[in-house]
Amino acid sequence: GAVVSQHPSWVICKSGTSVKIECRSLDFQATTMFWYRQFPKQSLMLMATSNEGSKATYEQGVEKDKFLINHASLTLSTLTVTSAHPEDSSFYICSANPYSTDTQYFGPGTRLTVL
Amino acid sequence: GEDVEQSLFLSVREGDSSVINCTYTDSSSTYLYWYKQEPGAGLQLLTYIFSNMDMKQDQRLTVLLNKKDKHLSLRIADTQTGDSAIYFCAASSSNTGKLIFGQGTTLQVKP
Repeated sequence: GAVVSQHPSWVICKSGTSVKIECRSLDFQATTMFWYRQFPKQSLMLMATSNEGSKATYEQGVEKDKFLINHASLTLSTLTVTSAHPEDSSFYICSANPYSTDTQYFGPGTRLTVL
Repeated sequence: GEDVEQSLFLSVREGDSSVINCTYTDSSSTYLYWYKQEPGAGLQLLTYIFSNMDMKQDQRLTVLLNKKDKHLSLRIADTQTGDSAIYFCAASSSNTGKLIFGQGTTLQVKP
């Protein structure tokens, strides 16, 4: 149980385009999902907390208009990187709490490369 | 705010035990976690311990928690080459419920 999927697993795009990454909880409902960014050989940096049915809460220094988050259902959150630039290239990982627990289960990650 | 520290690298021989250490600063952290990350993959939850416990064992994994010293360790018995990965310690923030991660410990297992 507690499986989280992400789609796509990798994406290459041109500078200036937008990219949408999906995070799904497959066998549980999640009122809260989290989006992280990970640079090579570094730890995870929390970008935002995605709340079902309400606005996401962004961490300090993360641009809301750059990284759009939508949590439209109890099993799906999306992260859209708008007008992507090479510095946005990174590994993006989502996680979700099964309903009423504190434990976070992570997706497999999405490798974004912006040319 | 909460800070979590780990050593960056550990090398062991196959069959030996591995001990990965972690310290944290928020004494009111409710849960403490160990995650494993293999190259190019997401994080796999290995185990977690509630803050009122001292020890938790799950097959080859033993977690020890010294709450007084705010020290957490993960012991892997009979370490295998498949255990080679990065291991992250994480503490739940008592205020926000968010996870605060350590820098990750790279475990290298030599045949």
